[in-house]
Amino acid sequence: DAGVIQSPRHEVTEMGQEVTLRCKPISGHDYLFWYRQTMMRGLELLIYFNNNVPIDDSGMPEDRFSAKMPNASFSTLKIQPSEPRDSAVYFCASSHQATHKANYGYTFGSGTRLTVV
Amino acid sequence: AQKITQTQPGMFVQEKEAVTLDCTYDTSDPSYGLFWYKQPSSGEMIFLIYQGSYDQQNATEGRYSLNFQKARKSANLVISASQLGDSAMYFCAMRCPSGAGSYQLTFGKGTKLSVIP
Repeated sequence: DAGVIQSPRHEVTEMGQEVTLRCKPISGHDYLFWYRQTMMRGLELLIYFNNNVPIDDSGMPEDRFSAKMPNASFSTLKIQPSEPRDSAVYFCASSHQATHKANYGYTFGSGTRLTVV
Repeated sequence: AQKITQTQPGMFVQEKEAVTLDCTYDTSDPSYGLFWYKQPSSGEMIFLIYQGSYDQQNATEGRYSLNFQKARKSANLVISASQLGDSAMYFCAMRCPSGAGSYQLTFGKGTKLSVIP
């Protein structure tokens, strides 16, 4: 099992540019989560999907952020236009309904460190 | 609302000694799960241990144990025989499997543990 795969690992972009972060969840997992980690705010849930359908996007900071999950094996988080305050580590995590009920938490990807200059 | 509090921004421990990382939580849901994650300097989030609110015994996983005191709403992580590789950030998290946000993990701010040789 390759785990949750995120790309890129690092992204440096200029303010105003579009940024797309990618995530491949563990095969068979039906939940996918996007978290953002900053020093000031810690780990925050941005959005999560169940069976490719967005369930709760209340954590998405503003309209500049959007997330999609076109199929069970791929999700994107897009920021357009990017701003310096978007600089953070973005994590993708996935889980399965069965492990959810067993409360074994989620499997996280390695994260994407985004720097907007 | 769910809330996790980690009051120790940083901790030091001598190699081979035991250390306790504090975590208190707040929820009105009678059913919940508590998690600890380790984040080394490389950035990935590693699941360590889980405790369910109805579990009768404290959870243990190798050198990790969870000191669960339900009445006090605390879920402290105990690391025995500390190793240099234990130096990392440690996050306490909670999930309440009912109601709004039932599938998200709420994280504390974390504790940075440094193991001294």
